[in-house]
Amino acid sequence: SQQGEEDPQALSIQEGENATMNCSYKTSINNLQWYRQNSGRGLVHLILIRSNEREKHSGRLRVTLDTSKKSSSLLITASRAADTASYFCATDAPGGGADGLTFGKGTHLIIQP
Amino acid sequence: NAGVTQTPKFRVLKTGQSMTLLCAQDMNHEYMYWYRQDPGMGLRLIHYSVGEGTTAKGEVPDGYNVSRLKKQNFLLGLESAAPSQTSVYFCASRLESYTGELFFGEGSRLTVL
Repeated sequence: SQQGEEDPQALSIQEGENATMNCSYKTSINNLQWYRQNSGRGLVHLILIRSNEREKHSGRLRVTLDTSKKSSSLLITASRAADTASYFCATDAPGGGADGLTFGKGTHLIIQP
Repeated sequence: NAGVTQTPKFRVLKTGQSMTLLCAQDMNHEYMYWYRQDPGMGLRLIHYSVGEGTTAKGEVPDGYNVSRLKKQNFLLGLESAAPSQTSVYFCASRLESYTGELFFGEGSRLTVL
């Protein structure tokens, strides 16, 4: 069953604008990760935020985590055409996660030039 | 450094045929995973392995078998393919179970007629 659910399912913005995607999950987590998938390609890791962190930055990416609301958001600032992709949140269960990450269904982001 | 390599990239099967997907990683990762990705469903875990000689079932294991005879390779087999197994299959690996990012292959697109 899906642990994370991204919102919105699709987002179209103009180049240069900021893009915000949200992720909600159901059970306690050890950490939450965001991945990007370009069309026809594999997923690429973007950023990991641990359950005891509230915010994390990496270049133009900003991730927040609210464990009380079981939600996370991914902000991409100053978007570029190359940011067009699907974005997935993924969670690890507490106590480990040898059985991998549980992924949401993704947000499809389109950056209009 | 190739990372995670999947073969074949594309395959068309007839119902009832068998095939094996090969995943190879050169990062000395202990943990390896097979996911399937279907439209609107996100990624779902099929089987995984926590080390050479080990395998375990994921969320959707029925109709698939796996083997991990060598640490660097993780094979996914379909003994009798069904149209419901038409999907894009992704292999992933990671070094650590509870903090590690997943490294994905480029995917194998399988069509079962």
